[in-house]
Amino acid sequence: QSVLTQPPSASGTPGQRVTISCSGSSSNIGGNSVSWYQQLPGTAPKLLIYSNNQRPSGVPDRFSGSKSGTSASLAISGLQSEDETTYYCATWDDSLTGLVFGGGTKLTVL
Amino acid sequence: QVQLVQSGAEVKKPGASVKVSCKASGYTFASYTLHWVRQAPGQRLEWMGWINVGDGSTKYSQRFQGRVIITRGTSASTAYLEVSSLRSEDTAVYYCARPQYCSGSSCSNWFDAWGQGTLVTVSS
Repeated sequence: QSVLTQPPSASGTPGQRVTISCSGSSSNIGGNSVSWYQQLPGTAPKLLIYSNNQRPSGVPDRFSGSKSGTSASLAISGLQSEDETTYYCATWDDSLTGLVFGGGTKLTVL
Repeated sequence: QVQLVQSGAEVKKPGASVKVSCKASGYTFASYTLHWVRQAPGQRLEWMGWINVGDGSTKYSQRFQGRVIITRGTSASTAYLEVSSLRSEDTAVYYCARPQYCSGSSCSNWFDAWGQGTLVTVSS
């Protein structure tokens, strides 16, 4: 069982806005920055969001992140077919003294 | 540009050990830590540990402590992950990853560069 909890699946139609949640605790999200990764099948994860809400260069501004208390969210606006893949949240856990990942959310574009 | 190139797929028997390499290029190798993350088939990403390439110090996930060793090469900008006492549950793709930034001994906990992954299959 993951320390960070994500819904296993999410869906939306093209052009829609979807949100993926990541729930943790005071020892992880509550006290540390959250990052988000996009992973296409058979490939390495790609950094989408870091420091809760910062986008690396090259990531479209359709992707945004936020954090409140012990939860974080990834929002994707203007949903496109190529967004259909799996998304992971991650942060440092002070109790485990290690990096932890969410269980992943598979996004389907209907 | 930053590149991490890993060694090829491995097939091992239960109880054996495996050593995976990660060769870095495009940046000053000694200025960053290097992390290892694995992913079992259909499962979540799982952080295993890191090495401070500059001084060779390491930090391991509690889950893998004692069974995993991360080392650096003496040259050629390469880091290694060795996993011992392999069992079927260790069948996974193993990735090396580099933090987005490191400033002195402080590095980000997110990664902007990843290796292509190395599939390790443990089967009798």
